[in-house]
Order: sequence, then structure tokens, then C-alpha cells
Amino acid sequence: DAGVIQSPRHEVTEMGQEVTLRCKPISGHNSLFWYRQTMMRGLELLIYFNNNVPIDDSGMPEDRFSAKMPNASFSTLKIQPSEPRDSAVYFCASRDTGRWDYGYTFGSGTRLTVV
Amino acid sequence: AQKITQTQPGMFVQEKEAVTLDCTYDTSDQSYGLFWYKQPSSGEMIFLIYQGSYDEQNATEGRYSLNFQKARKSANLVISASQLGDSAMYFCAMREGTGSARQLTFGSGTQLTVLP
Repeated sequence: DAGVIQSPRHEVTEMGQEVTLRCKPISGHNSLFWYRQTMMRGLELLIYFNNNVPIDDSGMPEDRFSAKMPNASFSTLKIQPSEPRDSAVYFCASRDTGRWDYGYTFGSGTRLTVV
Repeated sequence: AQKITQTQPGMFVQEKEAVTLDCTYDTSDQSYGLFWYKQPSSGEMIFLIYQGSYDEQNATEGRYSLNFQKARKSANLVISASQLGDSAMYFCAMREGTGSARQLTFGSGTQLTVLP
């Protein structure tokens, strides 16, 4: 089991540029979550999908953020245009909703720096 | 109101000693799950232990145990025989309700330092 795979691991971009973060969930997991971690706000949920359908995007900060899940094995989080305040670690997590006792598996995260 | 409260920003423990990390939660749901994650300095989030609201016994996983007191709405993590590798940030999290997909809500975390 390769786990949840996120790319890139690190991203440095200039303000105003478009940034795309990628996530491959664990095969067979039918829920996918995007979290953002900052010192000020801790871990906050941005959006989550169930069976590729967005369920709750109320955590997405503003229209500059968008997320898609075109199939069960791939999701993207896009920021356009990026701003310095978007600098954070972005985690993707997946879960098999058929198991109540199983934790959510997190990817290694993408550390985004917007300069 | 905060759904998950971790009141200890930082904790120190001597190697080989036991340590308790506090977590209280707030929910009106009858069905919920409580989780603990470890985040070492390398940044990954590592699942440690899970407790369901209907579980009558406290969860245990190796050196980790969860002291679940439902009436007090607390779910403290106990680490026995601390090791230097236990130094990390620890997060308590909750999943509320039933349903096919539910998100985790995290506390602010406790930074644990194990002293040699």
C-alpha cells in the first residue's frame, strides 16, 4: 500500500501565479479530504469529497481556491491567483468509509510558500 | 465554541516515564469518534488510536491508550514508557455523527518533548 501520495512536496511561487496541488488517495478509499495547516489557524478542513462528489466546501477560503476530483484516484487543489497568506502546508487525506474504526490516512503534505 | 480543546500547548516528560495529553470535546451527537494523531518534526500526520463513542472499553494500541470519560467529554492520550522518538506534536480530533463521509475536526495540538 503506497499510502496517500501528494505532489509536489514543496512549492515556491510568486504572488499572482497559479498553483496546483495534487493528491492520489489510497485505492479503495472513497472519501478524500483537503486540509490546510498554519501556525495561526492550525489544521482546518478546506473541502471533502465522497465518491468523487464534493460534499462540503464551506472551508474553502474564497473563490481563488478550487478543488476537483475527476476520478477515484486523483484530486487537485488549485489556487489562482496565489497570495502570500496562502503559504501553508496542505494535506490530503483519504478514508474507507466502510470502516468505522479506521483512521484517516494523510499524505505527506505540500509545503506551499508564496513570495 | 471549540469542538476540540487541548489545553496543554507544551509538555515535557522524562524518558521511560508515562505522560497524559489532555483532550476535551464538545458535541451533541450520540455517535462520534475520537482520534489521536502524531506529527513529528518531519511533518507527516500519523494515526495513533481511535475510540468510538459506543465503545465501552478504552482503546489501546501498544504504548498508547486512550482514557475515555464520556460523561466528562474527555479523551486523554496516555503514552507509557516514553521514548525520545515520541517527541512530536500530538493532535486530538473528532468525527461527529454517522453517515458515509464525515470530516475530522482537530484541536490545536500539544507539543511533547521527551527528555533523556
